[in-house]
Amino acid sequence: QSALTQPRSVSGSPGQSVTISCTGTSSDVGGYNYVSWYQQHPGKAPKLMIYDVSKRPSGVPDRFSGSKSGNTASLTISGLQAEDEADYYCCSYAGSYTLVVFGGGTKLTVL
Amino acid sequence: QVQLQESGPGLVKPSETLSLTCAVSGYSISSGYYWGWIRQPPGKGLEWIGSIYHSGSTYYNPSLKSRVTISVDTSKNQFSLKLSSVTAADTAVYYCARQKEMTNNWFDPWGQGTLVTVSS
Repeated sequence: QSALTQPRSVSGSPGQSVTISCTGTSSDVGGYNYVSWYQQHPGKAPKLMIYDVSKRPSGVPDRFSGSKSGNTASLTISGLQAEDEADYYCCSYAGSYTLVVFGGGTKLTVL
Repeated sequence: QVQLQESGPGLVKPSETLSLTCAVSGYSISSGYYWGWIRQPPGKGLEWIGSIYHSGSTYYNPSLKSRVTISVDTSKNQFSLKLSSVTAADTAVYYCARQKEMTNNWFDPWGQGTLVTVSS
């Protein structure tokens, strides 16, 4: 069982928006603004999409945005495109003992 | 640009030690950042294994700490993972990645990953 809880799957049609949640506790997501999100296509390595809750690395489309409220972080993808179909993972700092925790991953299907 | 490449045996026998190396190009490990190992069992999610700073300071997942050793060789610009007493549960794709910090711990970029199967 992963430390952070994500829905197993979400779906949306091209052009629509979807939001993927990542729920933790006050010891990880809720306690720090150190949440990152990764996109992983089948057979490929994960790619950083969001860091520091809401910052986008250079080259990541502004259709991807991140936010946090309490113990839940969210990744929103607007204007869905076929290429967005992938698995998405959240990650958070979890204090000086556990350090790094990932979510279980969410499969995004573009209908 | 920064590139990472994992290497090592693809098959390890149960109870033996898994050993992998991550070669870094386009960036000197000694210049900063942390360097991490993450694994992904087939069909499952990501699990952080541990990380190292160029000074040699190490940080491990508490659930794996007793079996993990991560080391760095700045002269070769690479870092390594050893996981002892492996079982079938350690079968996974193993990734290396550059890590910003241990607190602000985003990983970028990642290596392509290498599949390690534990089987006799």
